[in-house]
Amino acid sequence: RKEVEQDPGPFNVPEGATVAFNCTYSNSASQSFFWYRQDCRKEPKLLMSVYSSGNEDGRFTAQLNRASQYISLLIRDSKLSDSATYLCVVRNTGGGNKLTFGTGTQLKVEL
Amino acid sequence: GAVVSQHPSWVICKSGTSVKIECRSLDFQATTMFWYRQFPKQSLMLMATSNEGSKATYEQGVEKDKFLINHASLTLSTLTVTSAHPEDSSFYICSARVVAPQETQYFGPGTRLLVL
Repeated sequence: RKEVEQDPGPFNVPEGATVAFNCTYSNSASQSFFWYRQDCRKEPKLLMSVYSSGNEDGRFTAQLNRASQYISLLIRDSKLSDSATYLCVVRNTGGGNKLTFGTGTQLKVEL
Repeated sequence: GAVVSQHPSWVICKSGTSVKIECRSLDFQATTMFWYRQFPKQSLMLMATSNEGSKATYEQGVEKDKFLINHASLTLSTLTVTSAHPEDSSFYICSARVVAPQETQYFGPGTRLLVL
């Protein structure tokens, strides 16, 4: 089983739609959680950290459920520029603070 | 935010040659840098952790004699792919670790390697 699992998509949605991505992780000792965005042929860029209480940044809302080892990202009022691959990322403090990446969920926002 | 550069951004080489990729932190010092590899439609896979002034720590399954890492200064780590073969063709990305004010990794723009 992969340490971080995501639905690869693609998710094709119309502009203005709300879309949700899910992610599960297998290591119960994981400490920190993030969503990154990766555009085609580019490096990943941090979108937001994910906190246990849930957090929001504009149109983006992230949730963490430690009991279920489940992370989500909600994008409201999606824009064409949101089209990218969204990577669920976990950091385990044991073993050097390494980041473990999911395979990513591809989002295509269409007119 | 902090900036990390990589050079070259892309390289095409013949099978059997060695390729050196540089990763630089431009406006900060990084005692730890990471090297990742990403194949098409796959996730980033950590290859090794590069520590300034000491040997790199390689992930399981990554050959340290094939992927040579040197972290000679606080702003530069290099990855050399020795005797590259077509299966080494990939997107190589480095990141530099910052611990304050909070633990963060800043990623370089990546180097696309094609081995013919």
